[in-house]
Amino acid sequence: GQQVMQIPQYQHVQEGEDFTTYCNSSTTLSNIQWYKQRPGGHPVFLIQLVKSGEVKKQKRLTFQFGEAKKNSSLHITATQTTDVGTYFCAGLKTGTASKLTFGTGTRLQVTL
Amino acid sequence: DGGITQSPKYLFRKEGQNVTLSCEQNLNHDAMYWYRQDPGQGLRLIYYSQIVNDFQKGDIAEGYSVSREKKESFPLTVTSAQKNPTAFYLCASRIGDGNTEAFFGQGTRLTVV
Repeated sequence: GQQVMQIPQYQHVQEGEDFTTYCNSSTTLSNIQWYKQRPGGHPVFLIQLVKSGEVKKQKRLTFQFGEAKKNSSLHITATQTTDVGTYFCAGLKTGTASKLTFGTGTRLQVTL
Repeated sequence: DGGITQSPKYLFRKEGQNVTLSCEQNLNHDAMYWYRQDPGQGLRLIYYSQIVNDFQKGDIAEGYSVSREKKESFPLTVTSAQKNPTAFYLCASRIGDGNTEAFFGQGTRLTVV
């Protein structure tokens, strides 16, 4: 079945450093979504990418969707303590309208 | 307020007992999902439903059962056949068609002793 892996599993950075998490799917995706889960909370939608090679920015966050629509990345510039949490990618396999599969997640810890 | 409600937040059960987790949404979403979250394993899909009276197995359906008798409700039963039921369970919903975001409930932390 479809598998969505993320690396790294965990990263600890000092405030001000950059951070990147990578998402790789075993199958072609019709879209990629990114979610953030704060400690003790539930995942909250951040953004969606649909087009091959698409790049979107939200303030210090940059999201990319690969040309083959099988991988994606989230880059945070100059991390802040408010960025702490687990970041998940999620995708719909091409041809399936409803089966939303999540990645394994990357837990980010930011210290002063 | 519109949203997804999961209850209870914490649940304790003895081994060998079935337990049902509640999920209700008033967002008028067609699609609903159950995910299981374990440390280091992300969110794994248990069951999902695209419309009322229809549902499909996800990646880890063994030991679980669901029903979708009403659009707003998608309860999950963790049966005694589930070998390792202690986990954090998240319910989600989406409009269902195409590229739409998922909205999550607050989750239920189930502990089986």
